Amino acid sequence: GAVVSQHPSRVICKSGTSVKIECRSLDFQATTMFWYRQFPKQSLMLMATSNEGSKATYEQGVEKDKFLINHASLTLSTLTVTSAHPEDSSFYICSARWGTEAFFGQGTRLTVV
Amino acid sequence: RKEVEQDPGPFNVPEGATVAFNCTYSNSASQSFFWYRQDCRKEPKLLMSVYSSGNEDGRFTAQLNRASQYISLLIRDSKLSDSATYLCVVNNEYGNKLVFGAGTILRVKS
Repeated sequence: GAVVSQHPSRVICKSGTSVKIECRSLDFQATTMFWYRQFPKQSLMLMATSNEGSKATYEQGVEKDKFLINHASLTLSTLTVTSAHPEDSSFYICSARWGTEAFFGQGTRLTVV
Repeated sequence: RKEVEQDPGPFNVPEGATVAFNCTYSNSASQSFFWYRQDCRKEPKLLMSVYSSGNEDGRFTAQLNRASQYISLLIRDSKLSDSATYLCVVNNEYGNKLVFGAGTILRVKS
Protein backbone atom coordinates (compact mmCIF):
# COMPACT_ATOMS: atom_id res chain seq x y z
CA GLY A 1 0.00 0.00 0.00
CA ALA A 2 0.88 3.66 -0.20
CA VAL A 3 3.34 5.01 2.34
CA VAL A 4 3.47 8.41 3.95
CA SER A 5 6.57 9.26 5.90
CA GLN A 6 6.72 11.97 8.53
CA HIS A 7 9.81 13.40 10.18
CA PRO A 8 10.81 13.93 12.92
CA SER A 9 8.87 11.49 15.06
CA ARG A 10 9.64 13.39 18.23
CA VAL A 11 10.96 16.86 18.94
CA ILE A 12 11.53 18.87 22.05
CA CYS A 13 12.08 22.58 21.61
CA LYS A 14 12.34 25.70 23.68
CA SER A 15 9.50 28.14 23.91
CA GLY A 16 9.80 30.82 21.23
CA THR A 17 11.63 28.70 18.68
CA SER A 18 10.26 27.28 15.43
CA VAL A 19 9.91 23.66 14.48
CA LYS A 20 9.54 22.21 10.98
CA ILE A 21 7.79 18.92 10.35
CA GLU A 22 8.07 17.15 7.00
CA CYS A 23 5.53 14.89 5.37
CA ARG A 24 6.43 12.86 2.30
CA SER A 25 4.45 10.57 0.08
CA LEU A 26 6.99 7.90 -0.77
CA ASP A 27 5.48 6.00 -3.65
CA PHE A 28 2.75 8.23 -5.01
CA GLN A 29 2.14 11.87 -5.83
CA ALA A 30 -0.13 13.84 -3.56
CA THR A 31 -1.52 17.15 -4.76
CA THR A 32 -3.29 17.47 -1.43
CA MET A 33 -2.08 16.61 2.03
CA PHE A 34 -3.77 17.14 5.36
CA TRP A 35 -2.34 18.23 8.69
CA TYR A 36 -3.99 17.14 11.93
CA ARG A 37 -3.35 17.76 15.58
CA GLN A 38 -4.31 15.41 18.37
CA PHE A 39 -4.29 16.29 22.05
CA PRO A 40 -4.30 13.48 24.63
CA LYS A 41 -7.55 11.51 24.74
CA GLN A 42 -9.05 13.67 22.00
CA SER A 43 -9.84 13.11 18.35
CA LEU A 44 -7.69 14.14 15.42
CA MET A 45 -8.56 17.69 14.48
CA LEU A 46 -7.91 18.90 10.97
CA MET A 47 -5.73 21.97 11.03
CA ALA A 48 -5.26 22.66 7.35
CA THR A 49 -5.32 21.25 3.86
CA SER A 50 -2.04 21.60 2.02
CA ASN A 51 -2.32 22.14 -1.73
CA GLU A 52 0.63 21.64 -4.05
CA GLY A 53 1.59 24.88 -5.73
CA SER A 54 -0.95 27.05 -3.95
CA LYS A 55 -1.86 28.35 -0.53
CA ALA A 56 -3.01 26.04 2.19
CA THR A 57 -6.59 26.10 3.39
CA TYR A 58 -6.81 26.54 7.14
CA GLU A 59 -9.64 25.38 9.39
CA GLN A 60 -11.46 27.88 11.51
CA GLY A 61 -9.49 28.87 14.59
CA VAL A 62 -6.10 27.80 13.21
CA GLU A 63 -3.65 30.67 12.87
CA LYS A 64 -2.07 30.58 9.45
CA ASP A 65 0.79 32.83 10.52
CA LYS A 66 1.66 30.49 13.35
CA PHE A 67 1.34 27.23 11.46
CA LEU A 68 3.10 27.78 8.15
CA ILE A 69 2.44 25.20 5.48
CA ASN A 70 4.46 24.75 2.33
CA HIS A 71 3.65 22.19 -0.36
CA ALA A 72 6.34 22.83 -2.91
CA SER A 73 6.31 19.47 -4.63
CA LEU A 74 3.94 16.59 -5.28
CA THR A 75 5.62 14.48 -2.63
CA LEU A 76 6.46 16.90 0.16
CA SER A 77 4.50 19.12 2.49
CA THR A 78 5.98 20.88 5.50
CA LEU A 79 4.37 22.32 8.61
CA THR A 80 6.35 24.90 10.57
CA VAL A 81 5.20 25.77 14.05
CA THR A 82 6.52 29.27 14.58
CA SER A 83 7.28 30.82 17.96
CA ALA A 84 6.18 27.63 19.69
CA HIS A 85 4.61 27.78 23.12
CA PRO A 86 3.92 25.01 25.63
CA GLU A 87 0.25 24.95 24.59
CA ASP A 88 1.40 23.91 21.10
CA SER A 89 2.68 20.65 22.57
CA SER A 90 0.70 17.96 20.80
CA PHE A 91 0.79 15.07 18.36
CA TYR A 92 0.88 16.35 14.78
CA ILE A 93 -0.03 13.94 11.97
CA CYS A 94 -0.08 14.38 8.23
CA SER A 95 -2.16 12.44 5.77
CA ALA A 96 -2.46 11.96 2.03
CA ARG A 97 -5.09 10.24 -0.07
CA TRP A 98 -4.33 7.45 -2.49
CA GLY A 99 -7.47 6.44 -4.27
CA THR A 100 -10.24 6.41 -1.69
CA GLU A 101 -8.00 5.60 1.23
CA ALA A 102 -6.22 8.04 3.52
CA PHE A 103 -2.72 7.14 4.65
CA PHE A 104 -1.11 8.73 7.64
CA GLY A 105 2.42 9.62 8.54
CA GLN A 106 3.84 8.21 11.74
CA GLY A 107 3.12 11.45 13.56
CA THR A 108 5.35 13.97 15.33
CA ARG A 109 5.17 14.38 19.05
CA LEU A 110 6.06 17.98 19.81
CA THR A 111 6.97 19.06 23.31
CA VAL A 112 7.61 22.74 23.93
CA VAL A 113 9.45 23.49 27.16
CA ARG B 1 -23.14 18.80 19.00
CA LYS B 2 -20.00 17.06 17.73
CA GLU B 3 -19.96 16.04 14.07
CA VAL B 4 -19.01 12.48 14.96
CA GLU B 5 -19.79 11.06 18.38
CA GLN B 6 -18.54 7.87 19.95
CA ASP B 7 -18.73 6.29 23.37
CA PRO B 8 -15.19 6.80 24.69
CA GLY B 9 -15.20 3.62 26.75
CA PRO B 10 -13.00 2.05 27.82
CA PHE B 11 -14.47 -1.30 26.99
CA ASN B 12 -12.72 -3.94 29.08
CA VAL B 13 -13.48 -7.41 27.73
CA PRO B 14 -12.01 -10.89 28.13
CA GLU B 15 -10.38 -12.71 25.26
CA GLY B 16 -12.94 -14.37 23.04
CA ALA B 17 -15.69 -11.89 23.83
CA THR B 18 -17.82 -10.11 21.27
CA VAL B 19 -17.87 -6.35 21.55
CA ALA B 20 -19.79 -3.68 19.65
CA PHE B 21 -19.00 -0.01 19.15
CA ASN B 22 -21.45 2.63 18.05
CA CYS B 23 -21.03 5.95 16.36
CA THR B 24 -23.40 8.70 15.25
CA TYR B 25 -22.76 11.51 12.79
CA SER B 26 -24.57 14.81 12.39
CA ASN B 27 -24.14 15.62 8.70
CA SER B 28 -26.77 13.72 6.75
CA ALA B 29 -24.97 14.54 3.49
CA SER B 30 -21.82 12.69 4.52
CA GLN B 31 -20.54 10.54 1.72
CA SER B 32 -18.46 7.73 3.11
CA PHE B 33 -17.64 6.10 6.37
CA PHE B 34 -14.74 4.25 7.90
CA TRP B 35 -13.41 2.62 11.01
CA TYR B 36 -9.76 3.31 11.80
CA ARG B 37 -7.65 1.74 14.48
CA GLN B 38 -5.12 3.77 16.45
CA ASP B 39 -2.58 2.21 18.75
CA CYS B 40 -1.12 4.26 21.58
CA ARG B 41 1.09 7.08 20.29
CA LYS B 42 0.84 5.81 16.72
CA GLU B 43 -0.87 6.99 13.57
CA PRO B 44 -4.39 5.78 12.65
CA LYS B 45 -4.66 2.89 10.25
CA LEU B 46 -7.68 1.95 8.18
CA LEU B 47 -9.53 -1.02 9.60
CA MET B 48 -12.40 -1.09 7.16
CA SER B 49 -14.75 1.00 5.11
CA VAL B 50 -18.43 0.91 5.99
CA TYR B 51 -21.08 0.29 3.35
CA SER B 52 -24.86 0.64 3.49
CA SER B 53 -25.26 -3.05 2.84
CA GLY B 54 -23.01 -3.91 5.74
CA ASN B 55 -19.65 -5.56 5.31
CA GLU B 56 -17.55 -8.13 7.04
CA ASP B 57 -13.83 -8.72 7.19
CA GLY B 58 -12.93 -11.78 9.21
CA ARG B 59 -13.91 -11.12 12.82
CA PHE B 60 -14.97 -7.56 12.08
CA THR B 61 -18.42 -6.51 10.87
CA ALA B 62 -19.40 -2.93 10.07
CA GLN B 63 -22.91 -1.60 9.61
CA LEU B 64 -24.27 1.71 8.40
CA ASN B 65 -27.76 3.08 8.92
CA ARG B 66 -28.06 6.28 6.90
CA ALA B 67 -31.60 7.01 8.10
CA SER B 68 -30.47 7.03 11.72
CA GLN B 69 -27.00 8.38 10.89
CA TYR B 70 -25.51 5.54 12.83
CA ILE B 71 -22.46 3.36 12.29
CA SER B 72 -21.42 0.27 14.18
CA LEU B 73 -18.45 -2.04 14.46
CA LEU B 74 -18.72 -5.56 15.83
CA ILE B 75 -15.64 -7.52 16.84
CA ARG B 76 -16.07 -11.23 17.43
CA ASP B 77 -13.68 -13.54 19.28
CA SER B 78 -11.62 -10.65 20.65
CA LYS B 79 -7.85 -11.06 20.74
CA LEU B 80 -5.35 -9.35 22.99
CA SER B 81 -3.97 -7.67 19.89
CA ASP B 82 -7.32 -5.99 19.27
CA SER B 83 -6.61 -3.65 22.19
CA ALA B 84 -6.50 -0.18 20.68
CA THR B 85 -8.59 2.92 20.13
CA TYR B 86 -11.17 2.59 17.37
CA LEU B 87 -11.96 5.76 15.48
CA CYS B 88 -15.20 6.35 13.63
CA VAL B 89 -14.45 8.50 10.59
CA VAL B 90 -16.83 10.25 8.24
CA ASN B 91 -16.08 11.88 4.92
CA ASN B 92 -17.92 15.14 4.37
CA GLU B 93 -20.45 15.79 1.63
CA TYR B 94 -17.78 17.01 -0.78
CA GLY B 95 -15.61 13.99 -0.19
CA ASN B 96 -12.61 16.12 0.64
CA LYS B 97 -12.45 16.14 4.40
CA LEU B 98 -12.36 13.38 6.98
CA VAL B 99 -13.98 14.06 10.35
CA PHE B 100 -12.83 11.89 13.21
CA GLY B 101 -14.65 10.78 16.29
CA ALA B 102 -12.75 10.93 19.56
CA GLY B 103 -12.37 7.17 19.55
CA THR B 104 -13.48 4.23 21.65
CA ILE B 105 -10.87 2.49 23.77
CA LEU B 106 -10.89 -1.30 23.75
CA ARG B 107 -8.87 -3.35 26.23
CA VAL B 108 -8.89 -7.08 25.77
CA LYS B 109 -7.60 -8.99 28.76
CA SER B 110 -6.54 -12.61 29.15
